[in-house]
Amino acid sequence: DTAVSQTPKYLVTQMGNDKSIKCEQNLGHDTMYWYKQDSKKFLKIMFSYNNKELIINETVPNRFSPKSPDKAHLNLHINSLELGDSAVYFCASSQRAGYGEAFFGQGTRLTVV
Amino acid sequence: GENVEQHPSTLSVQEGDSAVIKCTYSDSASNYFPWYKQELGKRPQLIIDIRSNVGEKKDQRIAVTLNKTAKHFSLHITETQPEDSAVYFCSQVAGANSKLTFGKGITLSVRP
Repeated sequence: DTAVSQTPKYLVTQMGNDKSIKCEQNLGHDTMYWYKQDSKKFLKIMFSYNNKELIINETVPNRFSPKSPDKAHLNLHINSLELGDSAVYFCASSQRAGYGEAFFGQGTRLTVV
Repeated sequence: GENVEQHPSTLSVQEGDSAVIKCTYSDSASNYFPWYKQELGKRPQLIIDIRSNVGEKKDQRIAVTLNKTAKHFSLHITETQPEDSAVYFCSQVAGANSKLTFGKGITLSVRP
């Protein structure tokens, strides 16, 4: 029974396209996150939502637009994809912001060609 | 204020030896310091954490120590095994919105 699930696992697309990644958690957590992991393995926070409200937005280009329809879901839409967007994107959740373990999804490997 | 520095970036040890990974932080208000392990191709997973009111915490072969005065915390792995080979991330929770920030990660290799 997967706690944090994100789809798709792999995404290959051309520059300029628009794509979305979906994330769902069944843990009843209040807080969800999007992290970007680049080729050097650096995990950088992009967004954090608490009970559907955006609480952290880390100088991410506005081509990236998160949406949280309810506290169990946090989706990421990316417009006009660029080569530099290629990375692994991880969704995560925690009981509340900064409290306790952050549970990560399996990651989405995005490759922009 | 929310940065956490991790060093070294790579560490290689012989199976059975101990490994120590150190991190420093700058925000004195930080109160929660988790460590995550990421195996190749997998998701990061919590292995141990420590809160600022505790100086040391141990769980079988792994332990974490926290020095609030010096603002550094360390992960200690004893009797290392090949399955300990992974990337280890220190992290901290800091800031008004309790942001979870990660260090750059260290790749630990345990030689059989």
